[in-house]
Amino acid sequence: NAGVMQNPRHLVRRRGQEARLRCSPMKGHSHVYWYRQLPEEGLKFMVYLQKENIIDESGMPKERFSAEFPKEGPSILRIQQVVRGDSAAYFCASSPDPSETQYFGPGTRLLVL
Amino acid sequence: AQSVSQHNHHVILSEAASLELGCNYSYGGTVNLFWYVQYPGQHLQLLLKYFSGDPLVKGIKGFEAEFIKSKFSFNLRKPSVQWSDTAEYFCAVIATSGTYKYIFGTGTRLKVLA
Repeated sequence: NAGVMQNPRHLVRRRGQEARLRCSPMKGHSHVYWYRQLPEEGLKFMVYLQKENIIDESGMPKERFSAEFPKEGPSILRIQQVVRGDSAAYFCASSPDPSETQYFGPGTRLLVL
Repeated sequence: AQSVSQHNHHVILSEAASLELGCNYSYGGTVNLFWYVQYPGQHLQLLLKYFSGDPLVKGIKGFEAEFIKSKFSFNLRKPSVQWSDTAEYFCAVIATSGTYKYIFGTGTRLKVLA
């Protein structure tokens, strides 16, 4: 059973460009979570999705950020018009049930120049 | 609102020393509790978890944690650390009803000196 997969592992963007981060959950997991990790700031929850639905997006900035988890295909975290402050590691996790253990992917390290 | 506090942000120990990392949470209802570890350059992995039953749970690599409900605590322990335990450790809490949002602590960076 493959683990959570994220791609790309590293992404470099210039200010103003768009960043698309992809996450494929573990087989059988329908709950996906996105987190952002900044140095010395720990892991910050961004959004929780279930297939085709956003359950909780309270941790996601209101502008420029969006997430989806379509019926088919990976979950996408999209950042429009990136700024330097968006540089961080973005981790995706999945679980079979919302109260269960979350399994994390290797992360996407975004660098905005 | 739920919150998780990890009081030790940086810990430095020599090999064979004993480890205890504190984790306190605030939530009045029933919770599931987790400790995750992130080795340098790697993603988070589950160390151990508590859902119910014996409040002393044992995880991988000799780690254990004790849930003390009256103190809202879930401290992580290891009797004798190794250099390979150098990592960042995160405590996480999830309420078993409601929005099921994981709340992570800010993490504790452990450095074990050989």
